[in-house]
Amino acid sequence: GAVVSQHPSWVICKSGTSVKIECRSLDFQATTMFWYRQFPKQSLMLMATSNEGSKATYEQGVEKDKFLINHASLTLSTLTVTSAHPEDSSFYICSASEDRVNYGYTFGSGTRLTVV
Amino acid sequence: SQQGEEDPQALSIQEGENATMNCSYKTSINNLQWYRQNSGRGLVHLILIRSNEREKHSGRLRVTLDTSKKSSSLLITASRAADTASYFCATDMKYSGNTPLVFGKGTRLSVIA
Repeated sequence: GAVVSQHPSWVICKSGTSVKIECRSLDFQATTMFWYRQFPKQSLMLMATSNEGSKATYEQGVEKDKFLINHASLTLSTLTVTSAHPEDSSFYICSASEDRVNYGYTFGSGTRLTVV
Repeated sequence: SQQGEEDPQALSIQEGENATMNCSYKTSINNLQWYRQNSGRGLVHLILIRSNEREKHSGRLRVTLDTSKKSSSLLITASRAADTASYFCATDMKYSGNTPLVFGKGTRLSVIA
């Protein structure tokens, strides 16, 4: 079945540094990738939608200059948290759409970001 | 933005009992999906029910959908300690591959052995 590989699974970084999270679709082409953020004991909130070769669409309240999304190929999308602060500590998870799968959505395993 | 609500927010039951979780949503949907998430882990897809379906079964799972009430329920029968997790419903408003799933707030289920 469709697999989305997300790395790293966890990362600890210092305030002010940037962190890049990668999501790769391993056996299908992901035209669209969705990025979600989940705070402890809360639900998944959509941050942005990225389409291969074009600019990402950000949800209201999500700073596009802080959360840089690049979807340069059909198999790779990256989310870079720039100048990270402790309030950016969260669980980030990507999801890709693949038409051949019954329900069409495959999720990465998530990245636990802790900013100290 | 979140589509709707799940209730209860938290549920604690004894092993062997049934667990019922409800989900309400706000807009028309193409399908509704249920996911499980163990603490700090990724999502596991459980079951999908399409808007023209009313009930679906998968093993110990039973899902119902009432589009007139914009609600769905997930029943886990004969619960096990391993079922302890958070459960989310997610709605797909217009599946085209370009629309995201919208998640409810989730129910935290604790199954006590």
